[in-house]
Amino acid sequence: AQSVTQLGSHVSVSEGALVLLRCNYSSSVPPYLFWYVQYPNQGLQLLLKYTTGATLVKGINGFEAEFKKSETSFHLTKPSAHMSDAAEYFCAVSEGNAGNMLTFGGGTRLMVKP
Amino acid sequence: DAGVTQSPTHLIKTRGQHVTLRCSPISGHKSVSWYQQVLGQGPQFIFQYYEKEERGRGNFPDRFSARQFPNYSSELNVNALLLGDSALYLCASSLGSGTREAFFGQGTRLTVV
Repeated sequence: AQSVTQLGSHVSVSEGALVLLRCNYSSSVPPYLFWYVQYPNQGLQLLLKYTTGATLVKGINGFEAEFKKSETSFHLTKPSAHMSDAAEYFCAVSEGNAGNMLTFGGGTRLMVKP
Repeated sequence: DAGVTQSPTHLIKTRGQHVTLRCSPISGHKSVSWYQQVLGQGPQFIFQYYEKEERGRGNFPDRFSARQFPNYSSELNVNALLLGDSALYLCASSLGSGTREAFFGQGTRLTVV
């Protein structure tokens, strides 16, 4: 069975500071990993995904994540936070034999201070 | 191109009632999945449909059912509503049953009173 743990339900950073959102997963097979962002009263928007190949993945809005198999981690980073980055972020995993069923973490609310 | 569309956007129901939520996938996508997102939590998988057949089911009671139509749109039905069914219901579409990338709609906010 697959599972996702997001450390820190709330993260607060200053505008211009580094953003680091943590995600650890559990999977019995090589996983496919995703980060989604959710703005208030909206659906989920895909930020980036890891399927195979290069372990450093670049996404939209300047975000990137690195797949580390040895640490079972897929942390999300952005060098410089903008006010517009304030939102809820979800890490998700899909196992190879599970179709497109996604298992999500509990989410991390990112707050950006001026 | 239109994205995933869901209707209605909001609705309020009374305990014990029945509700039907609708989803139209992105044009060309043949797979639809449903998720329940309770306030303050991550989405939980309910169903996946591909080519009108159920391909996956999450840990939800039999009060929850779904179907997919020949045009690939889908309905989620919930019977005998409970207060705990209050949530944002998200529909996601994908090209195929094994496609890893899912595109989400804006969701339907269901409130049970």
